[in-house]
Amino acid sequence: EVQLVESGGGLVQPGRSLRLSCAASGFTFDDYAMHWVRQAPGKGLEWVSGISWNSGSIGYADSVKGRFTISRDNAKNSLYLQMNSLRTEDTALYYCAKDMGAYFGSGSSPDYWGQGTLVTVSS
Amino acid sequence: QSALTQPASVSGSPGQSVTISCTGTSSDVGAYNYVSWYQQHPGKAPKLMISDVSNRPSGVSNRFSVSKSGNTASLTISGLQAEDEADYYCSSYTSSTTLEFGGGTKLTVL
Repeated sequence: EVQLVESGGGLVQPGRSLRLSCAASGFTFDDYAMHWVRQAPGKGLEWVSGISWNSGSIGYADSVKGRFTISRDNAKNSLYLQMNSLRTEDTALYYCAKDMGAYFGSGSSPDYWGQGTLVTVSS
Repeated sequence: QSALTQPASVSGSPGQSVTISCTGTSSDVGAYNYVSWYQQHPGKAPKLMISDVSNRPSGVSNRFSVSKSGNTASLTISGLQAEDEADYYCSSYTSSTTLEFGGGTKLTVL
């Protein structure tokens, strides 16, 4: 059974940093691309970032480009999102999601999602 | 504003069919057969219902079907059931090598 467990969320002041983690199990982690997708309270889904199985291809939404960095450690079956210069509009539930394929940018999309970790940016 | 446009809400009675549209551009929906649809119940994570326009994961009812014409993809749910009441999101790969979601559609089963 595919399991994705996010952690690292919390309350943070604007301008500060936070690092999210996602522990994956139930599948061969280094065979698949991964994504971060967020959902602001009461709002829709917003794709944040994606990364290929070998970190060779990475993409970001314009809203986070230059502030967020996605990475993965295949030896630890883990996905990360380093979030810097946080803004109030970054407040959301952040989901870790497994892709259907190995390569980010090949056109495939998420098939399994974690339960999310809540990030609140407020002074 | 979402890059992909969906109706905010649709409704139907049990047993009826409803269709949810997802309109993009020639740089996303119209350019690729990489449109997926997700179902999200309140307080739950999204669930993939159909991928790459028409591939249905195992366990997903065949009451869910999709079509595409030009820059618009559509999800049709036939034989509506109470458990189908949820939010539905489309997603599409884009020529900018990103993923986009629609704004979401709230399905109410009357």
